[in-house]
Amino acid sequence: KNQVEQSPQSLIILEGKNCTLQCNYTVSPFSNLRWYKQDTGRGPVSLTIMTFSENTKSNGRYTATLDADTKQSSLHITASQLSDSASYICVVSALTGGGNKLTFGTGTQLKVEL
Amino acid sequence: KAGVTQTPRYLIKTRGQQVTLSCSPISGHRSVSWYQQTPGQGLQFLFEYFSETQRNKGNFPGRFSGRQFSNSRSEMNVSTLELGDSALYLCASSLEGVSYEQYFGPGTRLTVT
Repeated sequence: KNQVEQSPQSLIILEGKNCTLQCNYTVSPFSNLRWYKQDTGRGPVSLTIMTFSENTKSNGRYTATLDADTKQSSLHITASQLSDSASYICVVSALTGGGNKLTFGTGTQLKVEL
Repeated sequence: KAGVTQTPRYLIKTRGQQVTLSCSPISGHRSVSWYQQTPGQGLQFLFEYFSETQRNKGNFPGRFSGRQFSNSRSEMNVSTLELGDSALYLCASSLEGVSYEQYFGPGTRLTVT
């Protein structure tokens, strides 16, 4: 069964600090992995998309890594800001006979405090 | 370019009623996907429409249905509402399908009482 597990479930950090969120998946056959940021009451916004051949991708202060061998990904946030407080969702796409299918993690709730 | 829009943003219905939600994708996008988001289950895929045809379907009962019009706008219908249908319903559009980058709308918050 295709699964995406994220850790930690929630995290509180001080403004200016760095943090790393984890995503482990058992989805196959793998097509791509995405990280989304979802602010409370709003739709998710894409941060990065990585294919099998990419092992790192950055978007400003967000850097995602992918290890396709161990089926793990991480999202590193540098110099956190209050506006980084949100849910971060890892999504893995599988290429099946019926087309691409997405499996969603349940997200990591990040709170950045002063 | 205007983003994905969803209407209405908030809705309160009673058990047994039916509801129709609407989604207008980004101009030029032909794929529209629908998702249900609840605190306990996270985001769950409902279905994807492409060029007016349902291309993929998640594991939801037949009470959940959708359609797509020739202008790519999509509607989702839920019949015989149950309390457990209370959720945030999100639609996402992309150029050609879920393998491409998806852009989400703000969602419709449905409360069933």
